[in-house]
Amino acid sequence: QSALTQPASVSGSPGQSITISCTGTSSDIGGYDYVSWYQQHPGTAPKLMIYDVTNRPSGVSYRFSGSKSGNAASLTISGLQAEDEADYYCSSYTSASTRVFGGGTKLTVL
Amino acid sequence: QVQLVQSGGEVKRPGASVKVSCKPSGYTFTSSGISWVRQAPGQGLEWMGWISANSGNTKYTQHLQGRVTMTRDTSTSTAYMELRSLRSDDTAVYFCARDVNYRFDTWGQGTLVTVSS
Repeated sequence: QSALTQPASVSGSPGQSITISCTGTSSDIGGYDYVSWYQQHPGTAPKLMIYDVTNRPSGVSYRFSGSKSGNAASLTISGLQAEDEADYYCSSYTSASTRVFGGGTKLTVL
Repeated sequence: QVQLVQSGGEVKRPGASVKVSCKPSGYTFTSSGISWVRQAPGQGLEWMGWISANSGNTKYTQHLQGRVTMTRDTSTSTAYMELRSLRSDDTAVYFCARDVNYRFDTWGQGTLVTVSS
């Protein structure tokens, strides 16, 4: 099972919106609505930000949203804030009953 | 609140084995599965496998098959991950996470396993 494909880095200024893409196949993202997104600050455990493509867990800011089209998913962060600077990972369920992560995207807030 | 507490860091020689524990609290242990995820220094997240805390059924990533075993003890509500024949590239932080409908909603603090001669 190959890792999902994410851009290595994205950047944006405070207040702007950014989108992180996550590309898979019909055997993972395209086949199931089980895409989730995680935020990880240095030296800490990842935190669930989006699950089942579009859902936000309680306590996660409305500025975070998710979507999916075909074999690709996206995470959008609106109204960028300095605290959003972190690594972001997508994950999907697969047809082999496994889970797979993307390679991760480093978000820099300029 | 839901918490997962992992065992402490380990230093192992190449060829040895390591067993990491994960003790959840704040929910009924057998109601959810546990996934194990590792992160090598400066690298991304790698899903290693999953265990059903209820049945003990497991699913492992293909390239670790034969070297990894995930178990659970329902009497102590603890999950375990054992990795054998350790190599230097197994040096990583190992996380357990509660796996609910294929999402990892709560994570342990991580356990650093260092493999070095």
